[in-house]
Amino acid sequence: NAGVTQTPKFQVLKTGQSMTLQCAQDMNHNSMYWYRQDPGMGLRLIYYSASEGTTDKGEVPNGYNVSRLNKREFSLRLESAAPSQTSVYFCASSERTEVNEKLFFGSGTQLSVL
Amino acid sequence: AQKVTQAQTEISVVEKEDVTLDCVYETRDTTYYLFWYKQPPSGELVFLIRRNSFDEQNEISGRYSWNFQKSTSSFNFTITASQVVDSAVYFCALSESSSRGANNLFFGTGTRLTVIP
Repeated sequence: NAGVTQTPKFQVLKTGQSMTLQCAQDMNHNSMYWYRQDPGMGLRLIYYSASEGTTDKGEVPNGYNVSRLNKREFSLRLESAAPSQTSVYFCASSERTEVNEKLFFGSGTQLSVL
Repeated sequence: AQKVTQAQTEISVVEKEDVTLDCVYETRDTTYYLFWYKQPPSGELVFLIRRNSFDEQNEISGRYSWNFQKSTSSFNFTITASQVVDSAVYFCALSESSSRGANNLFFGTGTRLTVIP
């Protein structure tokens, strides 16, 4: 009954540090996504993976990299964290990337960059 | 240009009151989908409903109802007889058929609903 699992739930970084946010889904979904949520801005797509072995940029990809390790896992990496990357990060998945697909979300990672 | 506008940032109602959350969208596509998601205090977003651009029938699911009007580009969400468990942030979102690649949802900024017991 896990759905989409994200780790860690909270993280504090210093400017310039790197880290990887992990995401795994157990619904056998083909597509996975990373969003960030900022106050007053809704959710914005960072990167997505339409299927295993493919990744593509979303609306706000700068400063991030992703890896679709296998069908279950999709990680987001910050190589050199900046204060502007302070945000809540959500991983999501869907069966496909069709326009009408509903997304299943993880519970989020709250990241602070000092 | 913002594609989804939720003008109400925060709403507070007393339990059992009805409440309507507004959503106005903008798109040039003739084929698109509209969604509502709920974000309870636990944090994860939960899908509530989707409508396609060709189906303007209103929908009712228990205490929830949705009013889709293409003439005003609106997709409003009404909760009847609100309960404390309805307290959450509600997001309206738009997915356009012309979006490159993935299902890129454009989210509104959300409306925080607080139901006071």
